[in-house]
Amino acid sequence: EVQLVESGGGLVQPAGSLRLSCTASAFTSDEYALHWVRQAPGKGLEWVSGISWDSGTIDYADSVKGRFTISRDNAKNSLYLQMNSLRADDTAFYYCAKSSGWYYEFDSWGQGTLVTVSS
Amino acid sequence: EIVLTQSPGTLSLSPGERATLSCRASQSVSSNYLAWYQQKPGQAPRLLMFGASYRATGIPDRFSGSGSGTDFTLTISRLEPEDFAVYYCQQYNSSPFTFGPGTKVDIK
Repeated sequence: EVQLVESGGGLVQPAGSLRLSCTASAFTSDEYALHWVRQAPGKGLEWVSGISWDSGTIDYADSVKGRFTISRDNAKNSLYLQMNSLRADDTAFYYCAKSSGWYYEFDSWGQGTLVTVSS
Repeated sequence: EIVLTQSPGTLSLSPGERATLSCRASQSVSSNYLAWYQQKPGQAPRLLMFGASYRATGIPDRFSGSGSGTDFTLTISRLEPEDFAVYYCQQYNSSPFTFGPGTKVDIK
């Protein structure tokens, strides 16, 4: 069964940085895209960023563009999100999700890691 | 950016009743690249439907999806106790891959 496990969340001060990781295992398809989706406490889902299998396609939500950087290391089955210039409204659970290609539904999700931006 | 609107915000129903959830897009979603997800408290979202009308692996047939263009519907034919949750639609037709605000189905 497909598993995605996020790590790296925690408490960070405004304007600080944090790096999230997501490790994937047991995939039967090689060319999958990976995404970060966040959810502020008690709120809805917001797509944050996505990256194609070969890292040739990358995109971000406007709310994080210029502050967050997504990357992946296929040899390590890992996805990363470097978050800089963090703000209070970045506080959320961050989920890693997989799709079978860029324009595909998100068929597997991790359990999420909580990022809290507060002084 | 495609904006998704879901209605109603909350649906209060009893087990055994039929639930009809609506998702409307601000512009046409080509090839019906529309998915539905279920989320229960403290859990990650789970894929229910993709391509507007195809059930994901392991999803019971009381769940069905329909629609095209800008109007989509998720129907739960007979609510089971485990179906009370929040449901989100999402378009993956164009990036950013936006989600609707969700419909909460709670017990009447």
